[in-house]
Amino acid sequence: DAGITQSPRHKVTETGTPVTLRCHQTENHRYMYWYRQDPGHGLRLIHYSYGVKDTDKGEVSDGYSVSRSKTEDFLLTLESATSSQTSVYFCAISETPGTGGDKLFFGSGTQLSVL
Amino acid sequence: GENVEQHPSTLSVQEGDSAVIKCTYSDSASNYFPWYKQELGKRPQLIIDIRSNVGEKKDQRIAVTLNKTAKHFSLHITETQPEDSAVYFCAASNSASKIIFGSGTRLSIRP
Repeated sequence: DAGITQSPRHKVTETGTPVTLRCHQTENHRYMYWYRQDPGHGLRLIHYSYGVKDTDKGEVSDGYSVSRSKTEDFLLTLESATSSQTSVYFCAISETPGTGGDKLFFGSGTQLSVL
Repeated sequence: GENVEQHPSTLSVQEGDSAVIKCTYSDSASNYFPWYKQELGKRPQLIIDIRSNVGEKKDQRIAVTLNKTAKHFSLHITETQPEDSAVYFCAASNSASKIIFGSGTRLSIRP
């Protein structure tokens, strides 16, 4: 498996609190992604990054922010968690989409519960 | 933006039979179409992919077909086995990096 680690693996928090999820990679891949997985919705793209300090919105970015200050780390922040953000969050990495390096490698996921 | 629709949401087939999962996409600029398999409690993993300059691709019991004109692509699994039971996701992307997934198909193989 690609060197990609998500932390924490599980988290329970209360509505209104800030939450930060971390994705760390050792592959030196340029692209990093955050997806959420919910029953009936598949994998929905939240935000992605195409380089240090270069990020863009995905399909469901409202209520989420991201930061990438180093190639190896991509942080996802819920500024004020809501129950609708209860989900499994997957980080993924890839080399270079569009030029043959499109394969996504996923982390193990973070189960987040917002009570 | 891109929208990917996937059908059916659940599929049950007899062991040894074939399974077909279909997806449609909306963005005519999409040029890369991967399929991922997610076993229970595991992370999604790529099983096969196809680019827009190819109409069909095979890898042992798995094949993917692409119809660019109709903007749809399909996954075919032949001679299904118990280990094929999983959730399958299609996806589409263009060179702009966004990789958008379908809603998934839960495939069950009956013994």
